Amino acid sequence: EDQVTQSPEALRLQEGESSSLNCSYTVSGLRGLFWYRQDPGKGPEFLFTLYSAGEEKEKERLKATLTKKESFLHITAPKPEDSATYLCAVRVVIQGAQKLVFGQGTRLTINP
Amino acid sequence: DSGVTQTPKHLITATGQRVTLRCSPRSGDLSVYWYQQSLDQGLQFLIQYYNGEERAKGNILERFSAQQFPDLHSELNLSSLELGDSALYFCASSVAGANEKLFFGSGTQLSVL
Repeated sequence: EDQVTQSPEALRLQEGESSSLNCSYTVSGLRGLFWYRQDPGKGPEFLFTLYSAGEEKEKERLKATLTKKESFLHITAPKPEDSATYLCAVRVVIQGAQKLVFGQGTRLTINP
Repeated sequence: DSGVTQTPKHLITATGQRVTLRCSPRSGDLSVYWYQQSLDQGLQFLIQYYNGEERAKGNILERFSAQQFPDLHSELNLSSLELGDSALYFCASSVAGANEKLFFGSGTQLSVL
């Protein structure tokens, strides 16, 4: 069964304190790994797509990386506005159709 | 603003009832996806439509059904509601229907009492 596990479940950082969020996956045939950000009461917002091991994508203070078994979302010098839940998802083929399987998310809080 | 519109924002109903959730995709997007989000299950894929046709099915119960209309808006029908159906229901849309970059609406919070 395709599985996506995110860790930690929750993370509190001080403003400016860099860290990384982890997304590990066991899937039969990865067709892309996606990172989304979700603010309370809102729908997820797309951040990145990664397709192959070694690939990296950057956006402001965020950098996503991918290996054959996991992805990391690195947050450099975060600000309070980076507080959100970060969701990881893998695109797989199940019963002949492409689907996204989401992890449970990491709830990130940045204290000023 | 993602460009995806969901109505209503909140819905409170009783067990055994039937409700309809509505979604208008972004202009130009042909595919609509429905997801259910609860605290214990996370974000679960329910069903996907592309240009009016069902493309993929996820963990959608038989009590639930959906359709996409010629103007590309979609409706999710939930019937014989149970307490456990209380959740946040999201609609998302994309251009090509390959689960590429999804644009999510703000969701409908369903409370079944």
